[in-house]
Amino acid sequence: DGGITQSPKYLFRKEGQNVTLSCEQNLNHDAMYWYRQDPGQGLRLIYYSQIVNDFQKGDIAEGYSVSREKKESFPLTVTSAQKNPTAFYLCASSLRGQFNQPQHFGDGTRLSIL
Amino acid sequence: GQNIDQPTEMTATEGAIVQINCTYQTSGFNGLFWYQQHAGEAPTFLSYNVLDGLEEKGRFSSFLSRSKGYSYLLLKELQMKDSASYLCAVRDRNSNYQLIWGAGTKLIIKP
Repeated sequence: DGGITQSPKYLFRKEGQNVTLSCEQNLNHDAMYWYRQDPGQGLRLIYYSQIVNDFQKGDIAEGYSVSREKKESFPLTVTSAQKNPTAFYLCASSLRGQFNQPQHFGDGTRLSIL
Repeated sequence: GQNIDQPTEMTATEGAIVQINCTYQTSGFNGLFWYQQHAGEAPTFLSYNVLDGLEEKGRFSSFLSRSKGYSYLLLKELQMKDSASYLCAVRDRNSNYQLIWGAGTKLIIKP
């Protein structure tokens, strides 16, 4: 079955540590996205990528980094510069340039600070 | 600026009908999506509107009025499994066609 796989489901970060969240899709989608979800707020875009080897900052990119070396994979690193990383992180993908097509989401990674 | 407003929480009775409203302010409207999200899970796509009018899909319907910056999601014959958050998202041409998300409406279904 096609879909988006995020791992791990739960992640704990120590002070000063970088952690990487995995996102893999087998939907053959060109575009991939990372969102952060906090209680009482809408999804906020961290980074997105329309094609391999290219990505753009979203609204809250500070303290995060990404790479897009393969079409299927879009890992997100939460760096020590992100002072408030506790949140639910969602990865999504979609067909590029087809505006009526929805984004498909993974099951999310819940990140907490130790 | 961009803004999307939805009620924070609504309560309805099993078997009834509920309407969840979404109002938006954006200068580059290019389509509106509704998603359902159960607690701790991924959002799943429900509907898409880009032209004015009603789109019906089984028990769920979605309406759009671009002149009023207004949409609603109508859920009929409510079931307990419909208890979830409902997210409204607008695609904005002026944000590189990215989605701007509302905070979501938590719908509680009572027997």
